[in-house]
Amino acid sequence: DTEVTQTPKHLVMGMTNKKSLKCEQHMGHRAMYWYKQKAKKPPELMFVYSYEKLSINESVPSRFSPECPNSSLLNLHLHALQPEDSALYLCASSHRTGDPYEKLFFGSGTQLSVL
Amino acid sequence: TQLLEQSPQFLSIQEGENLTVYCNSSSVFSSLQWYRQEPGEGPVLLVTVVTGGEVKKLKRLTFQFGDARKDSSLHITAAQPGDTGLYLCAGAYTGNQFYFGTGTSLTVIP
Repeated sequence: DTEVTQTPKHLVMGMTNKKSLKCEQHMGHRAMYWYKQKAKKPPELMFVYSYEKLSINESVPSRFSPECPNSSLLNLHLHALQPEDSALYLCASSHRTGDPYEKLFFGSGTQLSVL
Repeated sequence: TQLLEQSPQFLSIQEGENLTVYCNSSSVFSSLQWYRQEPGEGPVLLVTVVTGGEVKKLKRLTFQFGDARKDSSLHITAAQPGDTGLYLCAGAYTGNQFYFGTGTSLTVIP
């Protein structure tokens, strides 16, 4: 299994809603990532988890709350989002930390629209 | 956030033509990767380069890492419509920090 699975594929939410994005991998990877990608722009790093601990937070607003319940799962909890948060949210995983040949495996993303 | 600038930003060429995409930064990277992304999908890794001056070939694609490990290029020979997509370079630091370049959107016209 070399897949990173993200659910849902599409999500529409209001600014007062609470929702969660889910990401799952069964490749034994110990690093997991959230990226945000606006249309025709590159992915922007949001969070990195290493061995289930948050290792990098790129100054992301607190309305985005990541969670890593175990080594296979990564969640992104959303609350009180703004329309400008509409984007493709990509999850990725990699084998281990610090290896220059480390390869990111990406999911297909969740296309989020905030109304 | 470290900035990696790619050029050109958009490229539209005829099938069979050659092209080069550039990725430049003022930072030194432990490695540099190239990804290709199709609409509605996540990026897929094409190659990783680690050593300054390194050249790697993948069929019609040739990747080069600058001597100072601050820049890279991707050359495609005899482009095909299947090469259409968003090409992204990504610089890696220690601690699993992968930062993407500004992207090059390539369209190959049959």
